[in-house]
Amino acid sequence: AQKVTQAQTEISVVEKEDVTLDCVYETRDTTYYLFWYKQPPSGELVFLIRRNSFDEQNEISGRYSWNFQKSTSSFNFTITASQVVDSAVYFCALTINGGATNKLIFGTGTLLAVQP
Amino acid sequence: NAGVTQTPKFRVLKTGQSMTLLCAQDMNHEYMYWYRQDPGMGLRLIHYSVGEGTTAKGEVPDGYNVSRLKKQNFLLGLESAAPSQTSVYFCAAKYRGNTEAFFGQGTRLTVV
Repeated sequence: AQKVTQAQTEISVVEKEDVTLDCVYETRDTTYYLFWYKQPPSGELVFLIRRNSFDEQNEISGRYSWNFQKSTSSFNFTITASQVVDSAVYFCALTINGGATNKLIFGTGTLLAVQP
Repeated sequence: NAGVTQTPKFRVLKTGQSMTLLCAQDMNHEYMYWYRQDPGMGLRLIHYSVGEGTTAKGEVPDGYNVSRLKKQNFLLGLESAAPSQTSVYFCAAKYRGNTEAFFGQGTRLTVV
């Protein structure tokens, strides 16, 4: 069975601090994909990144970076120099390649509050 | 995502009433999904469809039915609403394969 765990329920930081959101996944499949979505207070879900299981290179996009480590089954998300606009719920998700449905399995989310 | 539209955005139902949520997409996605989001539980899959005329149960299907008569529309029905179905419902659509899913803006449903 597949599972995604986001152990941090809520994180509060002060603007300009760096913050890392943890994501641990479980799957027996060798080919899978990992995602991060952002849900701002307005409620919509915004796609941030997709990573496949064969690409362990870290990725950086502006203030955002992702660290994928298969050895620890983790796909952590770091925001550098956080801003108030980063305040949102962040979801990590998993899908497996062999499944006919390609359904996303979500973690429970981490609420990030960035204080001015 | 402008390509996935949910109707309505808000609704209050009395216990026992029925309603249908509509998800419409204009990007020719093959796969469509209905999720519910509850505090502390993330998003859980209710039903999904891998193509026109086909539907299947997800993780929490009880109390819901779905139909996909046209490729662009995926309907979620509640035949007899219960307070436990108070939730935010999200529709998602994606292309075949491991691409990202595009989500609608959500429907906040309250059953009293």
